[in-house]
Amino acid sequence: EDKVVQSPLSLVVHEGDTVTLNCSYEVTNFRSLLWYKQEKKAPTFLFMLTSSGIEKKSGRLSSILDKKELSSILNITATQTGDSAIYLCAEGGSEKLVFGKGTKLTVNP
Amino acid sequence: GAGVSQSPSNKVTEKGKDVELRCDPISGHTALYWYRQSLGQGLEFLIYFQGNSAPDKSGLPSDRFSAERTGGSVSTLTIQRTQQEDSAVYLCASSLVWGAGAPLHFGNGTRLTVT
Repeated sequence: EDKVVQSPLSLVVHEGDTVTLNCSYEVTNFRSLLWYKQEKKAPTFLFMLTSSGIEKKSGRLSSILDKKELSSILNITATQTGDSAIYLCAEGGSEKLVFGKGTKLTVNP
Repeated sequence: GAGVSQSPSNKVTEKGKDVELRCDPISGHTALYWYRQSLGQGLEFLIYFQGNSAPDKSGLPSDRFSAERTGGSVSTLTIQRTQQEDSAVYLCASSLVWGAGAPLHFGNGTRLTVT
């Protein structure tokens, strides 16, 4: 059964800090790794990664995939209180996305 | 509409009653997914539709759960004889094409509370 594990489960930082969130996966037929941000309700799409070693960037957020290590990281630099959310990682090896339990990030002023 | 719409946003029901949750996907999106999110848990896959057919129903927790999609658009998730463990947020998502890795666009969910 496909599995996605995220760490840490929760993280509390101060504004301005840089954070790294981890995601590892065990899948039989990997095709893509996706990151989502969930604030109050609907998860919103951040990145989709298919190729190892290629960084995707959007503002202060960036993500990279390591297929050899079966993992991905999400980096957020110069964190702001608005970055407080649950960050979800998902693997798309089959017709459905398999999600991890998420990392709850709290950014304090 | 611009996004995925779900209704109702909140539903409180008594144990044993049936409930129907509705999802209106983004126009033109052929794939539609239902997930469930319990407190402190990740998203649990329930079912997905390609057009009107559901190739994978393996995630439905029991035979009390069923879903249908008509006209390649609106979908309803029905839970019969609700139990307290059914309490969760039910999220619907759609994507332009079906198949692994296509980014999903989520609705705001229906929070179901079974008393």
